Amino acid sequence: AQSVTQPDIHITVSEGASLELRCNYSYGATPYLFWYVQSPGQGLQLLLKYFSGDTLVQGIKGFEAEFKRSQSSFNLRKPSVHWSDAAEYFCAVAGVTGRRALTFGSGTRLQVQP
Amino acid sequence: EAQVTQNPRYLITVTGKKLTVTCSQNMNHEYMSWYRQDPGLGLRQIYYSMNVEVTDKGDVPEGYKVSRKEKRNFPLILESPSPNQTSLYFCASSPTGNEQYFGPGTRLTVT
Repeated sequence: AQSVTQPDIHITVSEGASLELRCNYSYGATPYLFWYVQSPGQGLQLLLKYFSGDTLVQGIKGFEAEFKRSQSSFNLRKPSVHWSDAAEYFCAVAGVTGRRALTFGSGTRLQVQP
Repeated sequence: EAQVTQNPRYLITVTGKKLTVTCSQNMNHEYMSWYRQDPGLGLRQIYYSMNVEVTDKGDVPEGYKVSRKEKRNFPLILESPSPNQTSLYFCASSPTGNEQYFGPGTRLTVT
């Protein structure tokens, strides 16, 4: 069964600092990988996705993520965090066959200090 | 504007009173899903649909029903709600079944 682990429940960074959110997945083959962001009281917005090809993917709002097959990781990065980035971030994996479902990690809450 | 809409956004009801949460998408997507989000448990899929009249169970289908009579609509039905169905519910649609686009959520409280 596929699974996703986000080891950091809560992260605090200063505005302007760089950010890396960790995500490890478990799946038998190369899965489809996603990062979503959820602002308080809002739905989930797709930040970026990886299906195949270039292992460094660019997303919206200046985010990028790198797929590392050897480490089963798909970490999210941003070079300079803005106060508006404070939100909860979810990594998700989808199988390439079978039931169409996203398996989500438990989320990382990002707090941005001025 | 391409979007997934859900109604109502907030609902407080009592145990056993049937309710329906509507979901509609205007992107002509084949796939639609329902998820629930609970603290500490993340998001879990309830039901999904690959096309009109084609639905199947997700991870936590007990106590829920769905139907897909039209491509754009995918209502979630709770025939006899119970307090353990108090949760935040999200509808999602997808063109391929992979990346999914979520609605704004429905916060349901069952007393």
